Amino acid sequence: NAGVTQTPKFQVLKTGQSMTLQCAQDMNHNSMYWYRQDPGMGLRLIYYSASEGTTDKGEVPNGYNVSRLNKREFSLRLESAAPSQTSVYFCASRTGPLAKNIQYFGAGTRLSVL
Amino acid sequence: QKEVEQNSGPLSVPEGAIASLNCTYSDRGSQSFFWYRQYSGKSPELIMSIYSNGDKEDGRFTAQLNKASQYVSLLIRDSQPSDSATYLCASERAAGNKLTFGGGTRVLVKP
Repeated sequence: NAGVTQTPKFQVLKTGQSMTLQCAQDMNHNSMYWYRQDPGMGLRLIYYSASEGTTDKGEVPNGYNVSRLNKREFSLRLESAAPSQTSVYFCASRTGPLAKNIQYFGAGTRLSVL
Repeated sequence: QKEVEQNSGPLSVPEGAIASLNCTYSDRGSQSFFWYRQYSGKSPELIMSIYSNGDKEDGRFTAQLNKASQYVSLLIRDSQPSDSATYLCASERAAGNKLTFGGGTRVLVKP
């Protein structure tokens, strides 16, 4: 049981390049999330998907797009990478909105934009 | 002002002592609260959740919630070097389906 799987684990981009971060979960969870983590900033929500077919903006959506491809997969796209997007990106999933439902995180993608 | 505030630390604690971590939140609509532990270079993992005023104990961990004062705390008893990590506090509105995280408190347990 892999849980939440993110690819790639590391990536270096040049300013202006594009890339897609992939996330898949095998727990049959309805909700999926993308966060970024910068030093001292905790986790900030970029986008989330409460269920298949829906996506909503989080706290810091500018410069990103997402696709909920199916129930398992939720991808994050950077169309034109900027140095300010250098960060660690975490994908997470959760069964649903009930508080008792635990949110599980992937291992993270470390992105550097030069 | 961030919605969820934590002292960034580091909080230095001798082995065997009690580590006390605090978290305040500004959204009075928050109903559920979570503590995640994150080791350096790893992803966050849930260690405690609390929904009602008062204390909740789980092994060496105790979470405390005071909604009137809008704070949540985490006590780690008999601290071990393996407890050295960053602890993230998170809140959630009722039926909100998304968590708001604080910046985290780094804890160092010294042998």
